[in-house]
Amino acid sequence: DTEVTQTPKHLVMGMTNKKSLKCEQHMGHRAMYWYKQKAKKPPELMFVYSYEKLSINESVPSRFSPECPNSSLLNLHLHALQPEDSALYLCASSQEVSFEAFFGQGTRLTVV
Amino acid sequence: AQSVTQPDIHITVSEGASLELRCNYSYGATPYLFWYVQSPGQGLQLLLKYFSGDTLVQGIKGFEAEFKRSQSSFNLRKPSVHWSDAAEYFCAVVPDSNYQLIWGAGTKLIIKP
Repeated sequence: DTEVTQTPKHLVMGMTNKKSLKCEQHMGHRAMYWYKQKAKKPPELMFVYSYEKLSINESVPSRFSPECPNSSLLNLHLHALQPEDSALYLCASSQEVSFEAFFGQGTRLTVV
Repeated sequence: AQSVTQPDIHITVSEGASLELRCNYSYGATPYLFWYVQSPGQGLQLLLKYFSGDTLVQGIKGFEAEFKRSQSSFNLRKPSVHWSDAAEYFCAVVPDSNYQLIWGAGTKLIIKP
């Protein structure tokens, strides 16, 4: 199994809503990542978890809150988002930090 | 500053023709090098990687890339493109084992019938 599974595929939320994005991998990878990607741009790193501990937070606003419940799961909790947060949110995993990353299909988020 | 450059924003190639996408990086040591492909609205798929050893690496879907230390380049090639190769291609670099992926801006590949 070489898949990273993300749910939901699409999400529309209001600026006062709370929602969560979910990511799962069963490759035994110990590093997991959240990226944000705007149209026609490369992915921007948001968070890195290594061995279930947050190791990198790229100055992401507190309205984005990551969580790593176990080595296979990664969540991104969303609260009070702004329309400019609309983007494709990608989850990825790798065997260790700096190894090749495997990406999920992403969640297309629209904030209205 | 450390950077990855993909000089071509988009490239148009006829189906069946050969392809070369350019990638240059500005790091002192040999980094880890990757090419990813992204179809519209999809996630990124790893095409190939270079860590060390043979400088010509083979990837999936008939792609290959060559690492040239003297030119700080890692160009992606394919001898004959198919319409299904139309996508965005990203070069990415890990400059050090403790660093994260540094991404190029991407090159959009357009295939002419």
